[in-house]
Amino acid sequence: AQSVAQPEDQVNVAEGNPLTVKCTYSVSGNPYLFWYVQYPNRGLQFLLKYITGDNLVKGSYGFEAEFNKSQTSFHLKKPSALVSDSALYFCAVSKSGGYQKVTFGTGTKLQVIP
Amino acid sequence: NAGVTQTPKFQVLKTGQSMTLQCAQDMNHNSMYWYRQDPGMGLRLIYYSASEGTTDKGEVPNGYNVSRLNKREFSLRLESAAPSQTSVYFCASSASTGRLNSPLHFGNGTRLTVT
Repeated sequence: AQSVAQPEDQVNVAEGNPLTVKCTYSVSGNPYLFWYVQYPNRGLQFLLKYITGDNLVKGSYGFEAEFNKSQTSFHLKKPSALVSDSALYFCAVSKSGGYQKVTFGTGTKLQVIP
Repeated sequence: NAGVTQTPKFQVLKTGQSMTLQCAQDMNHNSMYWYRQDPGMGLRLIYYSASEGTTDKGEVPNGYNVSRLNKREFSLRLESAAPSQTSVYFCASSASTGRLNSPLHFGNGTRLTVT
């Protein structure tokens, strides 16, 4: 069975500082990994994905994520946080079985403090 | 670009009442999904439709039914609502279930409370 863990319920970071939102996964075989963001009272929006290729993936709004196969991690990063980045972030994993097989994490609330 | 549109945005039901959540997408996507979002549990798949004319159960289908009315529309029905169905419901669509390099697109959700 596949799973994804987001170990931090909330991450606080000062505006302008780098941010990291952590994600680890468990899946047999090669994973498909995703990050989605949810703003208040809105649906999830796609940020970035790792399918294959470069371990560093760049996405929307200046976010990037690093795939680390040995540590089974896919942490989301941004060099300089904005107040507008405050939202709920979800990591998701699939073993190429299609979207009906995607497992979402429980979410991490990012709070960027002015 | 409307994307994925869900109605209603909010609903309060009494235990035992029924209702249908509506979802429509204008992106010509083949596949559509219904998720529920509960605190501390992430998103869980209720039902999905890989293509027009097909529907399949997801992780938590009990107490729900779905209809893929046409390529654009995918509805979720609660026949006899229970307090355990209090949740935020999201509809999503994608080009196809198998194309993971094409992202999921979500609606803004329906917040349902069952008393």
